[in-house]
Amino acid sequence: DQQVKQNSPSLSVQEGRISILNCDYTNSMFDYFLWYKKYPAEGPTFLISISSIKDKNEDGRFTVFLNKSAKHLSLHIVPSQPGDSAVYFCAANKSYQKVTFGTGTKLQVIP
Amino acid sequence: ETGVTQSPTHLIKTRGQQVTLRCSSQSGHNTVSWYQQALGQGPQFIFQYYREEENGRGNFPPRFSGLQFPNYSSELNVNALELDDSALYLCASSLGPSTEAFFGQGTRLTVV
Repeated sequence: DQQVKQNSPSLSVQEGRISILNCDYTNSMFDYFLWYKKYPAEGPTFLISISSIKDKNEDGRFTVFLNKSAKHLSLHIVPSQPGDSAVYFCAANKSYQKVTFGTGTKLQVIP
Repeated sequence: ETGVTQSPTHLIKTRGQQVTLRCSSQSGHNTVSWYQQALGQGPQFIFQYYREEENGRGNFPPRFSGLQFPNYSSELNVNALELDDSALYLCASSLGPSTEAFFGQGTRLTVV
């Protein structure tokens, strides 16, 4: 039962353009959502999060949008840089409970 | 301030053997979570320890067990290893059970 889904296994974007990574979830009890970035041979690194009481959170080039009615969130990276090339994991949890990860989207930013 | 460190980085074991993986949490963090990441999948939650007590468990059999020490470092033990246990095992520490987690680099376990 995949409660957090990232339906695009990979994405290629030109440097300087916007990268949009999408994530859907099925558990309406989730109230906290996170994005992690993972480079090869490294553990995931926390990128940005959003609480279910908000619909947008911005941190520099990274913005996360949450649409609770659609059970959908997205991560926007603008402008995209070659160093952003990595696997991005969407994750979600209900307060004080386990974090559930999606399967990841591999982003390639082409110089 | 040191980050989360895991040992060993790579390990090869034979089916049926037992393995212990170790994790040192980031300074000041009292919560450790363990995840299994199979090839092409996202990390799957195994269990979490908060102040030396188990604080939640995922869908893993009892042969996966853990421990957290007074200094908040942690061990993951897996008995009777199976081929499907081959994966990257990630440890993550956090200030509390529901705060952002910081991951170690993982231990790559191969069961042959």
